[in-house]
Amino acid sequence: AQKITQTQPGMFVQEKEAVTLDCTYDTSDPSYGLFWYKQPSSGEMIFLIYQGSYDQQNATEGRYSLNFQKARKSANLVISASQLGDSAMYFCAMREYDNNNDMRFGAGTRLTVKP
Amino acid sequence: SAVISQKPSRDICQRGTSLTIQCQVDSQVTMMFWYRQQPGQSLTLIATANQGSEATYESGFVIDKFPISRPNLTFSTLTVSNMSPEDSSIYLCSVEGGSPTEQYFGPGTRLTVT
Repeated sequence: AQKITQTQPGMFVQEKEAVTLDCTYDTSDPSYGLFWYKQPSSGEMIFLIYQGSYDQQNATEGRYSLNFQKARKSANLVISASQLGDSAMYFCAMREYDNNNDMRFGAGTRLTVKP
Repeated sequence: SAVISQKPSRDICQRGTSLTIQCQVDSQVTMMFWYRQQPGQSLTLIATANQGSEATYESGFVIDKFPISRPNLTFSTLTVSNMSPEDSSIYLCSVEGGSPTEQYFGPGTRLTVT
C-alpha cells in the first residue's frame, strides 16, 4: 500500500509568490521522519528539510518550511518567495524508524515557477 | 553531510550484458541504499546494504538480477545483470548521514539499455 501520497502531479506559481506542495502519509510507527527533496532536471536529489514525528515545532530552513499536522498525517512543504530556480520535481519521503528504517517516496510534484 | 560519488555517471549498454555501478562516500557510513528511478517516475528502493551483512532486497528485486557488494564502510557496488530495455533508469546510491534524520544521495547513474 502506498504510504506517501502527493496528490499534485504539477503545480504552477508566480515568481516571488509562496506555494504549498501537499504530502500525506500513512504509518502506525510512532517514530518516523519526513523528508523533502528537490530534483532538478540534472537528476541530483537535493535534501531540503526534515521533520521528526516527535518534533514539537514545524521545521524551517531558509525559504522552506514544513507544515506538519500530525493528527491529519500531513507534511506539506511551503516555499516562500519562489524563484525561477525552484522549478523542479519535489519528492516527499518517510522513514519509519521502528520498521525497516528505510526511506519511501511519494510520486512527486513538478513545480514550475513563472516569471 | 556526506559527499557521494558514483561511477559511471551514464552508460548505454546492449541487452543481455551487465553493468556494475560504483558508489564511493567520503566518510564511513553504516547504512547504504540503492534506488531505481524509472523515466518520469519516483524513486523505488532496490535494497539496503549494510557492511558486514548480506544486502536486504525489496519485493520485486532479486539478488541474481541486482547483486550488491559492500566491502567496507565507504564503498558499495550494484550490478545490473542480463539487462533489458526495461532496466533503463537512473540508479541512485544513498547513505544515512550522522543520524537517521539525515539521508543523502549520489548524483545517480543514467543507464540506457538498447
